Amino acid sequence: EPEVTQTPSHQVTQMGQEVILRCVPISNHLYFYWYRQILGQKVEFLVSFYNNEISEKSEIFDDQFSVERPDGSNFTLKIRSTKLEDSAMYFCASPSWASPDNEQFFGPGTRLTVL
Amino acid sequence: KNEVEQSPQNLTAQEGEFITINCSYSVGISALHWLQQHPGGGIVSLFMLSSGKKKHGRLIATINIQEKHSSLHITASHPRDSAVYICAVGNTGNQFYFGTGTSLTVIP
Repeated sequence: EPEVTQTPSHQVTQMGQEVILRCVPISNHLYFYWYRQILGQKVEFLVSFYNNEISEKSEIFDDQFSVERPDGSNFTLKIRSTKLEDSAMYFCASPSWASPDNEQFFGPGTRLTVL
Repeated sequence: KNEVEQSPQNLTAQEGEFITINCSYSVGISALHWLQQHPGGGIVSLFMLSSGKKKHGRLIATINIQEKHSSLHITASHPRDSAVYICAVGNTGNQFYFGTGTSLTVIP
């Protein structure tokens, strides 16, 4: 069964450093999402991406964040200058076909720890 | 403000019991999702609903669009059902809102 993969599984970084989280979505999916979950809190929507541009973004997704699909397969989330409060689990997801309303497939997540 | 409210927050059941988890939402939606999050953190989609009812094995999900309410039922619960169950809604603007989750523990 096809699956969404994410790398790395765990990233530790110093405050102020840039991090890039990577996702490989299922190959024929068209919509892509990034979510985050701070430890002990609910999952939060960050951004949706369609047709190589941002479709929607939340208030959390400020100028420190950016997303790209650099090579048609990888989907990346970049945090330019990490803060302590960026420590969270970051999930990439995509719906099963060319509609955001379809069942979402989630990656296993990247745990980001900012020291 | 919470666009999605779930109840209960925590639920402990004996193996075999019938379980209901409720979700209410306040935004206009295009679809509602029930998700399962295991202790290791991984998230799995259980259902996507835009109307009516869906059944998959021992799991049943219903939605009432007029009342902005959905329920997830588990029949004949089993310890392996122990997980956090999350309700999430997608709106027509392609944003998603998540509930805080219901932590279910099924005791043998």
